[in-house]
Amino acid sequence: QQQVKQSPQSLIVQKGGISIINCAYENTAFDYFPWYQQFPGKGPALLIAIRPDVSEKKEGRFTISFNKSAKQFSLHIMDSQPGDSATYFCAAISGGGADGLTFGKGTHLIIQP
Amino acid sequence: DTGVSQDPRHKITKRGQNVTFRCDPISEHNRLYWYRQTLGQGPEFLTYFQNEAQLEKSRLLSDRFSAERPKGSFSTLEIQRTEQGDSAMYLCASSIAGAGGTQYFGPGTRLLVL
Repeated sequence: QQQVKQSPQSLIVQKGGISIINCAYENTAFDYFPWYQQFPGKGPALLIAIRPDVSEKKEGRFTISFNKSAKQFSLHIMDSQPGDSATYFCAAISGGGADGLTFGKGTHLIIQP
Repeated sequence: DTGVSQDPRHKITKRGQNVTFRCDPISEHNRLYWYRQTLGQGPEFLTYFQNEAQLEKSRLLSDRFSAERPKGSFSTLEIQRTEQGDSAMYLCASSIAGAGGTQYFGPGTRLLVL
């Protein structure tokens, strides 16, 4: 599977701050880019997703920015809260989805009160 | 709860034993995926069903692994002759064909092979 590179590996943000997680991909066939949130011992939960025909998508405090030419996308969490402390995964998938999602290695986010 | 369910949630077994996990997808989701997640890593794709047909298998899925979805609803993943390296979280996800990749995950089955 083609790789999706995610950074940083871990991130500490003060309550009320902006958390930013970045991902880069190689496979230009990818056409759907979701972000998942995972708490310890739980399955990943879909947070927000974007397709490459738009450059930004916002849902509440969560925003995805997408740069097709650079093959990069990022998650911004505005007004970060302690309850946002979790591991975040970016992912990508192409066309019919037959190969499954390709995930980044995850970012462990800690929001300090 | 109408989400993806998995059973059991935890399984401890001895090396060499066989184990079987079950996944019940969201109703009317015709696609079902299995992933494996090891500690500190993202999930890795194992295999994919559309209805009852297994359409894709990752090279991660060794001959000791077999998955079925006999009636296009629930699925089972069996690992034969388990090894310590099989210890991981096994995740199931489901989606609707044509929904462009929106997959919903279950809570996972955590396997520990002693």
